[in-house]
Amino acid sequence: AQSVTQLGSHVSVSEGALVLLRCNYSSSVPPYLFWYVQYPNQGLQLLLKYTSAATLVKGINGFEAEFKKSETSFHLTKPSAHMSDAAEYFCAVSAKYGNKLVFGAGTILRVKS
Amino acid sequence: EPEVTQTPSHQVTQMGQEVILRCVPISNHLYFYWYRQILGQKVEFLVSFYNNEISEKSEIFDDQFSVERPDGSNFTLKIRSTKLEDSAMYFCATAKLAGGSTDTQYFGPGTRLTVL
Repeated sequence: AQSVTQLGSHVSVSEGALVLLRCNYSSSVPPYLFWYVQYPNQGLQLLLKYTSAATLVKGINGFEAEFKKSETSFHLTKPSAHMSDAAEYFCAVSAKYGNKLVFGAGTILRVKS
Repeated sequence: EPEVTQTPSHQVTQMGQEVILRCVPISNHLYFYWYRQILGQKVEFLVSFYNNEISEKSEIFDDQFSVERPDGSNFTLKIRSTKLEDSAMYFCATAKLAGGSTDTQYFGPGTRLTVL
């Protein structure tokens, strides 16, 4: 079985500051890991995914995440926050392709000017 | 860029009524999913569908729910007799078969179902 824990339901950063959103997973098999973003009143958009290739994954909008097996983590980072990054971010895990995604509770990112 | 589309965007219904939520997958995608998100809660998996049959379903997906691909293009979720607790945003997601590598699930914009 898989599960995801996102530490911090709300994160607030200043514009230009580092963004760090935390995600820890539990999986009985090698996981596939994803970050999705949800803007207000919109669906889920894929930011990036880990599929057992490179452990450092780069995604859209300047985001990246690093898979750390020893820490069972897949934290999302961006060096410099922009106002347009304000949204809710979901970490998700899947056991293999075609399988269901198991989502974390989400982290709402607020960017202050 | 191809997108998953869902209709309607918002559905209001009376408790006990049947609703059908529709999804048009990306054209070469073969895996289909329904998820839901009750306001303020996690996105939850409901069901996956491949090769015209259910691959997996959650405990939420009871006999009141059904899915089908009636015409080879649309993918539908039917709730036979809606309950207040069915009020949620329902997301359709689709993915293509990609050999041994993982499939990215692409999500539609969702249908907000309100049961009164």
